[in-house]
Order: sequence, then structure tokens, then C-alpha cells
Amino acid sequence: EPEVTQTPSHQVTQMGQEVILRCVPISNHLYFYWYRQILGQKVEFLVSFYNNEISEKSEIFDDQFSVERPDGSNFTLKIRSTKLEDSAMYFCASRTPAGGYTFGSGTRLTVV
Amino acid sequence: QQQVKQSPQSLIVQKGGISIINCAYENTAFDYFPWYQQFPGKGPALLIAIRPDVSEKKEGRFTISFNKSAKQFSLHIMDSQPGDSATYFCAASTNFGNEKLTFGTGTRLTIIP
Repeated sequence: EPEVTQTPSHQVTQMGQEVILRCVPISNHLYFYWYRQILGQKVEFLVSFYNNEISEKSEIFDDQFSVERPDGSNFTLKIRSTKLEDSAMYFCASRTPAGGYTFGSGTRLTVV
Repeated sequence: QQQVKQSPQSLIVQKGGISIINCAYENTAFDYFPWYQQFPGKGPALLIAIRPDVSEKKEGRFTISFNKSAKQFSLHIMDSQPGDSATYFCAASTNFGNEKLTFGTGTRLTIIP
């Protein structure tokens, strides 16, 4: 079964540093998403991406965040200057126009 | 208005019993209601989903009941097994699932022998 692949599985970074979380969506999917889950809390929408541009973003997705699909296969989430409260599991997801979401296994980001 | 409220927060059910998790929503524009199962260290995996034109959908041991007038939907797991122990999230979306998902707060289900 096709999978959404995320790397790394765990990233530890110092406050103020930049991090890039990477995702390889399913190859025939056209819609891409980032969600995050703070430990023990619900999954929250960050941003959706279609046709090489952001289609919607939440209030969490401020100027510190950016997304990119640099080469037609990878989909990245960049946090420019990490804060302690950015510590969370970050999930990438993709879907077809008619299909349901497929989520990756997530990247656990720990900001120290 | 975008919230999806989920209860209970945690649930313990004996093996073979019925597990019931409930969700309620406010936004009447929601028209796609999936349930996700999440194991520790993994991403949410789609379990079953329903659209508001039907009141019930069954797939194996999993059933969604949907009450449009009350704006509520629930997941029933029949003959619950230890392998069903996981966190379950309800969610809702507009445009038949073509928009972002709004998740409930999750239910940690534990099935005991």
C-alpha cells in the first residue's frame, strides 16, 4: 500500500534554530497538508498546498513557517526560528481529489 | 463554530464488548465525517467515514451512526479486541472531504482481557 514518508522521525533542535521537516507524498496525490499534534492534544491543521501554492493556512502558520515543493516529489515544512512551543509531532498528509487523506508517521520535533 | 467535540477522553472496555465514542459539531457546512485510528508513534489512519446523506455506515466491526438534526455522530466498535486499543479521533470537513480536517480531541481506548 502506498505510504507518505516523513524524515526525520525525531529532530531535536535548539531554540532559535531553523528546522526543515521533509515529506514524500504519495506519487499521484495532488493535495498536500501539514498538521501538528502537541503531546496529548488533538491534531491541528497548519497548511494546505495545491498546484505549487498555499491554498489555506491556519493562524498557527505564521511568518516563521513556510512550505515548499522543491522538486515535484518532496514537500517540506520549514520553521525559521524555533520556539519551545513548536515542540510537537508534525504530520504530513496527501490525498487525491476524490480520496481520503493518507498521513505519514510524523516527525517528533523537540525544541530545547 | 469550527470545533468538533469528542467524548469520552478515555474509555476502558472488556474484550468482546462494544466501544462507543461520540462526537458533536456546530458547523452545518461540514459534510464529511471520518474516524481515524492512531497507534503510538504513528500517524492517524482512516478507519471509516460517512457523509450526511446516510444515517449509518458499517464496515466489519466498525459502525458510524450519524444524526444530522442533532449534529452528532458516533463510532461503535463491536466485539472489541485488544488490538483495537489505540487513540481514536473523529474529524469533520467541508466540500465532501476536499478541505482541511477539523479533529476532535481524541479518545484513548483500552481493551482489557
